[in-house]
Amino acid sequence: SQTIHQWPATLVQPVGSPLSLECTVEGTSNPNLYWYRQAAGRGLQLLFYSVGIGQISSEVPQNLSASRPQDRQFILSSKKLLLSDSGFYLCAWTGDSPYEQYFGPGTRLTVT
Amino acid sequence: ILNVEQSPQSLHVQEGDSTNFTCSFPSSNFYALHWYRWETAKSPEALFVMTLNGDEKKKGRISATLNTKEGYSYLYIKGSQPEDSATYLCAFIAGTYKYIFGTGTRLKVLA
Repeated sequence: SQTIHQWPATLVQPVGSPLSLECTVEGTSNPNLYWYRQAAGRGLQLLFYSVGIGQISSEVPQNLSASRPQDRQFILSSKKLLLSDSGFYLCAWTGDSPYEQYFGPGTRLTVT
Repeated sequence: ILNVEQSPQSLHVQEGDSTNFTCSFPSSNFYALHWYRWETAKSPEALFVMTLNGDEKKKGRISATLNTKEGYSYLYIKGSQPEDSATYLCAFIAGTYKYIFGTGTRLKVLA
């Protein structure tokens, strides 16, 4: 069966520090991968999606970036965090059916 | 800009009450609608995927209907229990890769 991992689970970082969140998927190949963020009081916002290694589409312009160095690995990064980057970050994947999306456990990021 | 709205934002009901929420979405470029149940500090759990106008899905005490022509879906919970307390999210799938989520309905069931 497929499993999706995210780490770390929680993170507290000062403004201006770098960020790296990692997501890996097991039990499937060539998944479509997604990064979402939920800011306080808001819905889930799609940040990036990837249909293959090195292929990244950005949905919202911001100071975040994403990379997909391996088939089942998706990384969310920032060179300098802003206060507004605080939120709950979720990684998700879809397989052959785009209608079924599965989420990882999430990372709670607090920028201080 | 595609917008998905859910109402109400939050809801408190007594144990045993039945309740329902609404998800409104654009009626054009429809591929599918997805309902999720999301508990705090956990990942969203898929409830239903609905693709056809008039679809009705059921899982235990929870059911959902879909009207793609007018752009809405209802989620019903019959005989609410405290363990039903969660945020219920709907996601409008506008294309192969494009999921647009509503802000969710936060349900609290009081024992």
